Amino acid sequence: DGGITQSPKYLFRKEGQNVTLSCEQNLNHDAMYWYRQDPGQGLRLIYYSQIVNDFQKGDIAEGYSVSREKKESFPLTVTSAQKNPTAFYLCASSVYDRAEGYTFGSGTRLTVV
Amino acid sequence: GQNIDQPTEMTATEGAIVQINCTYQTSGFNGLFWYQQHAGEAPTFLSYNVLDGLEEKGRFSSFLSRSKGYSYLLLKELQMKDSASYLCAVRAGGGNKLTFGTGTQLKVEL
Repeated sequence: DGGITQSPKYLFRKEGQNVTLSCEQNLNHDAMYWYRQDPGQGLRLIYYSQIVNDFQKGDIAEGYSVSREKKESFPLTVTSAQKNPTAFYLCASSVYDRAEGYTFGSGTRLTVV
Repeated sequence: GQNIDQPTEMTATEGAIVQINCTYQTSGFNGLFWYQQHAGEAPTFLSYNVLDGLEEKGRFSSFLSRSKGYSYLLLKELQMKDSASYLCAVRAGGGNKLTFGTGTQLKVEL
């Protein structure tokens, strides 16, 4: 079955550490996205990529970095520069510029300890 | 930028009908989506509108008025499992990037 997989489901980070969240899809989708969701809030866009080896900043990119070396993979690194990283992180993919919605991964809950 | 507004919370009775409104302000509008999200889970796609009018899909319908920057999601024959957050999202400009509202938390009671 095609889908989008995020790992790990839960992640704990110490202050000052970088952590990387994995996102893999086998849907052959061109575009991939990272969103952050805080309690009681909507999804805010961190980074997105419409094609391999290219990505753009979203609304809240500071303290995050991404890479898109393969079509299937779009990992997100939460750096120590992100001052408030505790949140629910969602990865999504879509066919580029088509009248379809996103397919979401199951999410990673990151907690700073 | 874009501005999307939804009510924060709504409560309805099992078996009833509920309407969740969404208003938006954007340039280059290119589609409006509704998603359902249960606590701690990923959003799931419910509906898509790009032209004015009503789209019906089983117990769920979605309406769009582009001139008014307004959409609503209509849920009929409410069930307890419909208790969830409902997210309105707008696509604007080129590409498929979505901007989400803060979501409406719906509670279905007996």
